[in-house]
Amino acid sequence: DAKTTQPPSMDCAEGRAANLPCNHSTISGNEYVYWYRQIHSQGPQYIIHGLKNNETNEMASLIITEDRKSSTLILPHATLRDTAVYYCIVRPGPYGQNFVFGPGTRLSVLP
Amino acid sequence: SAVISQKPSRDICQRGTSLTIQCQVDSQVTMMFWYRQQPGQSLTLIATANQGSEATYESGFVIDKFPISRPNLTFSTLTVSNMSPEDSSIYLCSVEVMNTEAFFGQGTRLTVV
Repeated sequence: DAKTTQPPSMDCAEGRAANLPCNHSTISGNEYVYWYRQIHSQGPQYIIHGLKNNETNEMASLIITEDRKSSTLILPHATLRDTAVYYCIVRPGPYGQNFVFGPGTRLSVLP
Repeated sequence: SAVISQKPSRDICQRGTSLTIQCQVDSQVTMMFWYRQQPGQSLTLIATANQGSEATYESGFVIDKFPISRPNLTFSTLTVSNMSPEDSSIYLCSVEVMNTEAFFGQGTRLTVV
C-alpha cells in the first residue's frame, strides 16, 4: 500500500503557484520523498526528490516539514502544460526498491 | 538519465491471444520493472526483472500469465498471455539509474476485444 495521502484533485490558475500537499506520517528515517507526474496517459515523469532538506530544481521546489511527516510540491508559475496527475511517493534510498504509486492528485491548471 | 523505448505503443488484440511488449533502454541497467495501469487507476507493479535470473512477481501476478524475459542489461519483454478484456490496460516498463530517480517508458496501451 502507498504510504502517502494526497488530495484527489486541485485547481490552480495559470501563472500562479501550485502547492500540492502530501502527508507521509509513517515515513522512516531512511525513506526519501519523491514526486512524479503523469500527463495524460504518458509514462510518469520524475520531478524532484528529497530526504530532509528543501530541494529546488528547474521544475519545482520541494518543502519537507521538520518532522518529515508532510511535504509540499511547489510549481512556481503553473502553465496549462502542468495539468497532470501528481504522485507523492516515499521509498528507501537503496537501489532497486520499486516505487509504490498511490492515486495521486489530479492538478488542473485553468486559463 | 535513461531513454526507454517501448513497442508497440498500442495494440488491439483478440481475447485468448498473447502479446509481447518490448522495452529497450539506451544504457545498461541492473533492474527493470514492469507496471500495469488499468483505466482510471494508478500504477501497479507486476514484477521486477533482473538480468540472468527469474523475474520476481508481486502478489496477484503470476509467471504463466505475465512471462518476462531479460536477456541482457538493456532489454526486456513482458508477455500478456491468454488475454481477456480485463487485461486492457497500459503496461509500462521502468528502470532506475544512479540510485536516484526512476525513468519510465511511454507505455503500451492494450485493448482486448
